[in-house]
Amino acid sequence: QKEVEQDPGPLSVPEGAIVSLNCTYSNSAFQYFMWYRQYSRKGPELLMYTYSSGNKEDGRFTAQVDKSSKYISLFIRDSQPSDSATYLCAMRGGGGNKLTFGTGTQLKVEL
Amino acid sequence: DTAVSQTPKYLVTQMGNDKSIKCEQNLGHDTMYWYKQDSKKFLKIMFSYNNKELIINETVPNRFSPKSPDKAHLNLHINSLELGDSAVYFCASSLDRGISYEQYFGPGTRLTVT
Repeated sequence: QKEVEQDPGPLSVPEGAIVSLNCTYSNSAFQYFMWYRQYSRKGPELLMYTYSSGNKEDGRFTAQVDKSSKYISLFIRDSQPSDSATYLCAMRGGGGNKLTFGTGTQLKVEL
Repeated sequence: DTAVSQTPKYLVTQMGNDKSIKCEQNLGHDTMYWYKQDSKKFLKIMFSYNNKELIINETVPNRFSPKSPDKAHLNLHINSLELGDSAVYFCASSLDRGISYEQYFGPGTRLTVT
């Protein structure tokens, strides 16, 4: 079993829909939680970052962390075709820079 | 103005060959990484260097040897290439200060071993 589990999709939604992407993890030492977006044939880019439990909002994106359930989510409101990409969750413990990634969820937002 | 660059972008080679991938960052970061992304998009850390010192060395065959000539460069040399080495290899960098969380990724090198 992987340390970080993520549904690979693909997930297809109509434009304007609310998208929910999720990851579960098993390592209770993880404290920093990130979402990366990866367009086709490009490198991942950081979208959202959260420390410990709680919510963080940035424009149409909201990241949630529930450490008690070992569950993190990314919500995308008013989804756009330009949001079509693979979304990777990533996390790390308190020391060092080693990131553990989920397998990524492929999202397609259709007109 | 490219932040993290990799060369080559595509690499097609035969089994048994030796090849190198180069990475350079102009962000002033002190930590650099190599990741491997397989066909299912799973991204896994291979190595990490901080100020030219190896700090992360995951379970990677010793055919893979990273080299960091200075803080801005991290190269990856692969000996005796195998079919299973076919993947996209990403270089990344970050600044190791306080709560450093953002790793900047390069565009990737798509390696195909035939």
